[in-house]
Order: sequence, then structure tokens, then C-alpha cells
Amino acid sequence: KQEVTQIPAALSVPEGENLVLNCSFTDSAIYNLQWFRQDPGKGLTSLLLIQSSQREQTSGRLNASLDKSSGRSTLYIAASQPGDSATYLCAVYTGANSKLTFGKGITLSVRP
Amino acid sequence: ETGVTQSPTHLIKTRGQQVTLRCSSQSGHNTVSWYQQALGQGPQFIFQYYREEENGRGNFPPRFSGLQFPNYSSELNVNALELDDSALYLCASSSRGLSSYEQYFGPGTRLTVT
Repeated sequence: KQEVTQIPAALSVPEGENLVLNCSFTDSAIYNLQWFRQDPGKGLTSLLLIQSSQREQTSGRLNASLDKSSGRSTLYIAASQPGDSATYLCAVYTGANSKLTFGKGITLSVRP
Repeated sequence: ETGVTQSPTHLIKTRGQQVTLRCSSQSGHNTVSWYQQALGQGPQFIFQYYREEENGRGNFPPRFSGLQFPNYSSELNVNALELDDSALYLCASSSRGLSSYEQYFGPGTRLTVT
């Protein structure tokens, strides 16, 4: 059974800091991994998707990496801003049952 | 390009009642998945519909059922509501024609059961 873990559950950093959010998963047989952003009470916004054959993806100040063999992914946020404050979730798609399996998310607070 | 939409935005129901939530998939997408997100938790997979057929189901009881229509929109029905059904219900659409399987989420429906 696939399990996704994100630690810590919450993180508070000063504005301008570069930061790394971690995600680990137990079953390396994945099709892809997605990072999402969720603002309080809102839906999920897809940030980056990494295919199982890829090592990383970049979008603006965000860079996500994937090490499938070790079951790990990181989301790197450069020069953090207060507007980056949100919950960040990672999810893996294994194809089994056609579902995404999510972690519980990391709630990020960027202090001005 | 129209994104994923869901209705209603919020809903309050009483225990034992039935509820129907609706989702319109993103233009060009033929697959719809439903997820339940309890407060402070990650979304949990309920089921997926592809070409109007259920194509995978999570660990939810039969009182959670769904439909997909020819235009790929979808409904989630929950019978005999329980207090624990209070959650944010998220719909996601994707396209089986794309190898990425990237899923795009709607804004969600907040269901409160009293």
C-alpha cells in the first residue's frame, strides 16, 4: 500500500529565505509525482508534475526533484515571499486504482 | 480553456439526509476523480470515472456513488449522511489520452453535516 509522508507538518521562515519541502513515498512504482498548493478552504493548484522518467522540473522560483529509487521528492522554493504562504501537498500516481495518493501537506508561513 | 468547476460551493445537511455534488471537467478531459479532504488531512481518493464507467474506487462505503455523463461532467452522491462525512469534496479531471496523467482540481464543495 502506497504511503506518502511530508515532514514537518508546518514551517515558518522569514521572507527571502530559500527553502526545501520534503516528500517521501513507500512504493517506487509510480507514474508521476505532483506538487500542489492549497490556500485555506480552497481547492488544489497544480505546481509541478514530474514523470517517473524525469529527475526534475522547474517553474519560475519553484524546482521539484524526484529520486524514484529512494522514494523521495523535494520542492525547492527560491527567495520566498509572504504570498507563498499556503499548504503544499505532494501526491503520487501509481496507476493502481487510478488514484493519486497524497501526503498530509506542509503548511508554510513566510513572515514579512 | 475552461477549468474544473464544482457546485455548490458550500452545503449544510442533516445526518441521515442525501446529497448530490456536481463537477464539470476541464475542456478536453474525459476522466473525473473525486476526493474527500477532512480538515488537516490530505485528500483521500473516493473513485474515478472514465467513459461513464467507474474505473477505480478507494476505501469508501457503497453509500458513496457517482455518475459520469456523456459530456464528461460528473456527480457524487452520498446517502445516509454521517457526521464524519463533513469535509471538502474535490473533483479532479484528467485526460486518458495524455501520458502524463496530470490531474486538475476544482475549487471544491464544503459539506457540513449536523
